[in-house]
Amino acid sequence: DQQVKQNSPSLSVQEGRISILNCDYTNSMFDYFLWYKKYPAEGPTFLISISSIKDKNEDGRFTVFLNKSAKHLSLHIVPSQPGDSAVYFCAASARGFGNEKLTFGTGTRLTIIP
Amino acid sequence: ETGVTQSPTHLIKTRGQQVTLRCSSQSGHNTVSWYQQALGQGPQFIFQYYREEENGRGNFPPRFSGLQFPNYSSELNVNALELDDSALYLCASSVDAGWTGELFFGEGSRLTVL
Repeated sequence: DQQVKQNSPSLSVQEGRISILNCDYTNSMFDYFLWYKKYPAEGPTFLISISSIKDKNEDGRFTVFLNKSAKHLSLHIVPSQPGDSAVYFCAASARGFGNEKLTFGTGTRLTIIP
Repeated sequence: ETGVTQSPTHLIKTRGQQVTLRCSSQSGHNTVSWYQQALGQGPQFIFQYYREEENGRGNFPPRFSGLQFPNYSSELNVNALELDDSALYLCASSVDAGWTGELFFGEGSRLTVL
């Protein structure tokens, strides 16, 4: 039962354009969402997060949008840079329910074309 | 550089054997979590340790066990290895068990079971 889904295994975007990565979830208890970035031969690194009490969080070139009614979140990267090429994982937790574990999606491989 | 180191980086075992994977957490981080990432999948939560006690467990059988030591190091032990245990095992540390958000991941230990 995949509670966090990233339906696009891969995405290619021209350098300078906007990259939009999508994530859907099914568990209504999830109240905290995160995006992680992973380069080959490295562990995932934290990128940005959002609490369910917000619908948007911004950090530099990265913005995460949360639509609770649709159980959908997205990560926008603008402008996209070659160094953004990596696998991006969406993750969720039920922090308010005392559940500390992160549930990850299967990832989206983003390739930025110079 | 997350300050989380794992060893070994790669290892090969045969079915039925036992394996111990090691992790050295970032100094000051009381919580360590272990995740299994199978090929093409996102990381899956195995368990979490907080101040040397298990503090949450995912859907993994008892042959997956762990230890956390006072010096910020920890171990993941897997007994009676099965072919499906082949995966990347990720260790992640965080400041305390009550916080769910930025986990600092190591580079992982890639286990191959033949």
